[in-house]
Amino acid sequence: QSALTQPPSASGSPGQSVTISCTGTSSDVGGFNFVSWYQQHPGKAPKLMIYEVTKRPSGVPDRFSGSKSGNTASLTVSGLQAEDEADYYCNSYAGSNNYVFGTGTKVTVL
Amino acid sequence: QVQLVQSGAEVKKPGASVKVSCKASGYTFSGYYINWVRQAPGQGLEWMGWINPNSGVTNYAQKFQGRVIMTRDTSITTAYMELSSLRSDDTAVYYCARDLSAKQWLGFDYWGQGTLVTVSS
Repeated sequence: QSALTQPPSASGSPGQSVTISCTGTSSDVGGFNFVSWYQQHPGKAPKLMIYEVTKRPSGVPDRFSGSKSGNTASLTVSGLQAEDEADYYCNSYAGSNNYVFGTGTKVTVL
Repeated sequence: QVQLVQSGAEVKKPGASVKVSCKASGYTFSGYYINWVRQAPGQGLEWMGWINPNSGVTNYAQKFQGRVIMTRDTSITTAYMELSSLRSDDTAVYYCARDLSAKQWLGFDYWGQGTLVTVSS
């Protein structure tokens, strides 16, 4: 099972929006609505930001939103804030009781 | 409050085995699958497998099959991940993570603090 493809980096100024893509195949991202996104600050455990493609857990700001089209899922962070600077990973169910993570994207707030 | 507390850092020699524990509290342990995820230094997240704490049924990523064993002890609400035949590229932080709900595949809502396993001769 190959990792899902994410851009290595993305950036934006405070208040702007940034969108991160997560490209898989019809066997994972495209085949199921089980995409989740995680934020990870240096030295910390990942934090769930989006699940089931578009849903936000309680406590996650509505600045974070998710979507999917075909084999590509996306995470959009609107109204960028300094604390949004982190690594972001997508994850998808990949069939046969397996998960697969994305390669990760480092978001920089300029 | 839900907590997953992992065992401390380990240093192992190549060829040895390591067993990491994940103590769960604040919820019904048997009701939520536990996953194991690792992260090599400076690298991304890698899913290793899951265990159903209720039944003990496991599923491992193909990469780790034959080298990993996930178990649980329901009496002390603790999950374990044992990795054998360690190599230098197994050096990583190992996390346990709980499924968001009793229904699988939604995502991982609570994570342990991570356990650094260093493999070095």
